[in-house]
Amino acid sequence: GQNIDQPTEMTATEGAIVQINCTYQTSGFNGLFWYQQHAGEAPTFLSYNVLDGLEEKGRFSSFLSRSKGYSYLLLKELQMKDSASYLCAASDSNYQLIWGAGTKLIIKP
Amino acid sequence: SQTIHQWPATLVQPVGSPLSLECTVEGTSNPNLYWYRQAAGRGLQLLFYSVGIGQISSEVPQNLSASRPQDRQFILSSKKLLLSDSGFYLCAWKGGGEWETQYFGPGTRLLVL
Repeated sequence: GQNIDQPTEMTATEGAIVQINCTYQTSGFNGLFWYQQHAGEAPTFLSYNVLDGLEEKGRFSSFLSRSKGYSYLLLKELQMKDSASYLCAASDSNYQLIWGAGTKLIIKP
Repeated sequence: SQTIHQWPATLVQPVGSPLSLECTVEGTSNPNLYWYRQAAGRGLQLLFYSVGIGQISSEVPQNLSASRPQDRQFILSSKKLLLSDSGFYLCAWKGGGEWETQYFGPGTRLLVL
């Protein structure tokens, strides 16, 4: 079957760094997406990885290892506005997204 | 630029009543369109997707249906709502290329009582 695993909740301190992990099992693989979702709002796109390695976008970076079925989202210099859920989604052989349940990130001052 | 609209933003409906949620996309043509449902504290469940007018694929058998009467319009319907239909309904669009990203509308929060 197809499955995405990510931690349910994480807590971090303002100004610190946090890494949110995601492991996936899909029938075929066409890339890994990360979305941010603030409470009560729709998800917004953060990053896409299809090749192994690290993609950096400002304070946010995303890493992919296809051989390990593993990705992480790295958030640096955390700000209170980063408090949100972070959704991991893998694109399968039909280019449909398989979604994780999301990781709720709580930022403390 | 592309924008996606959904309405209504919130809806409270009694059990057994009908439902119609609408989604429209601007600034693009022939998009792939998606309906998702998100239960409280849960991930996204794909309900329907469409690659063109009149073409609907259903992912989960249930009492919901979808239609795409125009290129940039996607409608989610039900003849009789169940309590379990409560949730956050999200419409998303993607360009025609397989590698493209899905972008979401603002969502409709549905509460069935």
